[in-house]
Amino acid sequence: QKEVEQNSGPLSVPEGAIASLNCTYSDRGSQSFFWYRQYSGKSPELIMFIYSNGDKEDGRFTAQLNKASQYVSLLIRDSQPSDSATYLCAVISGSARQLTFGSGTQLTVLP
Amino acid sequence: GAVVSQHPSWVICKSGTSVKIECRSLDFQATTMFWYRQFPKQSLMLMATSNEGSKATYEQGVEKDKFLINHASLTLSTLTVTSAHPEDSSFYICSAAPRDEQYFGPGTRLTVT
Repeated sequence: QKEVEQNSGPLSVPEGAIASLNCTYSDRGSQSFFWYRQYSGKSPELIMFIYSNGDKEDGRFTAQLNKASQYVSLLIRDSQPSDSATYLCAVISGSARQLTFGSGTQLTVLP
Repeated sequence: GAVVSQHPSWVICKSGTSVKIECRSLDFQATTMFWYRQFPKQSLMLMATSNEGSKATYEQGVEKDKFLINHASLTLSTLTVTSAHPEDSSFYICSAAPRDEQYFGPGTRLTVT
């Protein structure tokens, strides 16, 4: 069974700190990995996607992928109160292009 | 880029009526669109995968005769909730995928009275 697991949190960090969000997946054949941010009452917003092992940086966000460990993470540097949201890890396995979501990690950045 | 719109953003309808929700990719073409439903404080639930020019693929437990999906063009998919009942009240969200990554519309909040 294809599963994506995240710590549900809540995770609290002070403003300006680095927030680290983690995700593991069970299907070793997974090939595409995504991080979405969802504010309460809103739809998910794509933050990062990563396909290859290693790090991918975009502004304050860095996605890290380790396929051998079946692990993907998201680092948010210089966290801001506006980063407070639920972060969803999602994975594509196989040819159906369907996303398998984790249950999400609720992040609170304290001013 | 990669903007997806939905219309309407919210709708209230009476039990037994039908409601149509439109999903458009504004700046890219999407051969595949997806429809999700989300209840309060719950995860996104995939309802169906919509492919342009072919029948939608519904997830287990989703009634295809109740949730009609039409993917008429590379930029438009519609979801029609037929004979709506109060238990259909939810947040319906579409997404479109130019490649593997999916971009979500803003969602449609449906309330059935």
